[in-house]
Amino acid sequence: ETGVTQTPRHLVMGMTNKKSLKCEQHLGHNAMYWYKQSAKKPLELMFVYSLEERVENNSVPSRFSPECPNSSHLFLHLHTLQPEDSALYLCASSQEGRRDQPQHFGDGTRLSIL
Amino acid sequence: SQKIEQNSEALNIQEGKTATLTCNYTNYSPAYLQWYRQDPGRGPVFLLLIRENEKEKRKERLKVTFDTTLKQSLFHITASQPADSATYLCALVTGNQFYFGTGTSLTVIP
Repeated sequence: ETGVTQTPRHLVMGMTNKKSLKCEQHLGHNAMYWYKQSAKKPLELMFVYSLEERVENNSVPSRFSPECPNSSHLFLHLHTLQPEDSALYLCASSQEGRRDQPQHFGDGTRLSIL
Repeated sequence: SQKIEQNSEALNIQEGKTATLTCNYTNYSPAYLQWYRQDPGRGPVFLLLIRENEKEKRKERLKVTFDTTLKQSLFHITASQPADSATYLCALVTGNQFYFGTGTSLTVIP
């Protein structure tokens, strides 16, 4: 599925680096999400944006900073990360207010912290 | 605490048989339950949705049941094929939140 595109697909960074993950959706959705997926753990919802406003922030450390400039784009800015932040970061989109509709996921960014 | 459990981490079955995956939950009252498929290195892909007032939903070789009394959903793949090998995730939708299970890795052996 190419409706949600994430870049880069892989990222290796040191703990002192600053980098950004990008997500773009071409489905006309108005809600976008960041999830963290670690081995043997459920998907952890990090942030939710609805109509470009952040509506959810699930106790995520401040070293993760989201940005949603418009309904099609979502960024996750990273700085001073820790080794336990190594994971697959997934972006998803859906239609706000339509709980009977699925979330559409990108293929994720595999992040490794050295 | 709220919890979603998917039966086993890994399930191996013979090609042609029916695979049955389980999703049990506690302390939720979901309005919907969804099943997703995830292949290695890819994001989850939506398969089926079932509403709280529905008992069963079918799509081609897939069937989902939803028992709100038992707090359980069963996901069946009939006439399984090696191409069905993947991780399957259940997700509960309540309020405006999606809550995912850890997934079951299914391997269909030729």
